[in-house]
Amino acid sequence: NAGVTQTPKFRILKIGQSMTLQCTQDMNHNYMYWYRQDPGMGLKLIYYSVGAGITDKGEVPNGYNVSRSTTEDFPLRLELAAPSQTSVYFCASSYSGVRQDGYTFGSGTRLTVV
Amino acid sequence: DAKTTQPPSMDCAEGRAANLPCNHSTISGNEYVYWYRQIHSQGPQYIIHGLKNNETNEMASLIITEDRKSSTLILPHATLRDTAVYYCIVRVANTNAGKSTFGDGTTLTVKP
Repeated sequence: NAGVTQTPKFRILKIGQSMTLQCTQDMNHNYMYWYRQDPGMGLKLIYYSVGAGITDKGEVPNGYNVSRSTTEDFPLRLELAAPSQTSVYFCASSYSGVRQDGYTFGSGTRLTVV
Repeated sequence: DAKTTQPPSMDCAEGRAANLPCNHSTISGNEYVYWYRQIHSQGPQYIIHGLKNNETNEMASLIITEDRKSSTLILPHATLRDTAVYYCIVRVANTNAGKSTFGDGTTLTVKP
């Protein structure tokens, strides 16, 4: 199993540009999450999803949008990139059943907005 | 989800046990304690979790106090590769996505 796969690994955007960060998982996990991590800081939750067609805001949703059309995929959309969105973005997934498993994280996307 | 408090940094000698504390005084009865670590800028890695009993796996042991207001992650024989940021979080699994807040964690430095 590949686990959680994020693409691209690195990206440089100009202010005002848009992009989609891709995230896919092959573990049949219902729950998926997007976090951002600024240098030297912890992770902050942007959006999360409990299943296909269901999404909700986390701590820092402004400037982002998500969709969940399938169980496997949870893309994160940046519409008008701003320097404040320079960060490392991590996607994660977890099982929603009776097993209290932890999250599985992807390797991250390092985004720079200039 | 309850908030947690961890020391910002700790050192440990290679081969010795590393004991990382976490306070979660507002934890609810149905919240689990989870530990993750993040090496360099990689994605965080799940280590262990527990509800009220002590837990052990191949990576670490988790000791939860009887009142559940604090816990300790124990790496029994720390190696240089255990140098990382360790995050303690609490969450209600299996409800509302079990969404979790990650604080700034504890930076553990294992020294030769």
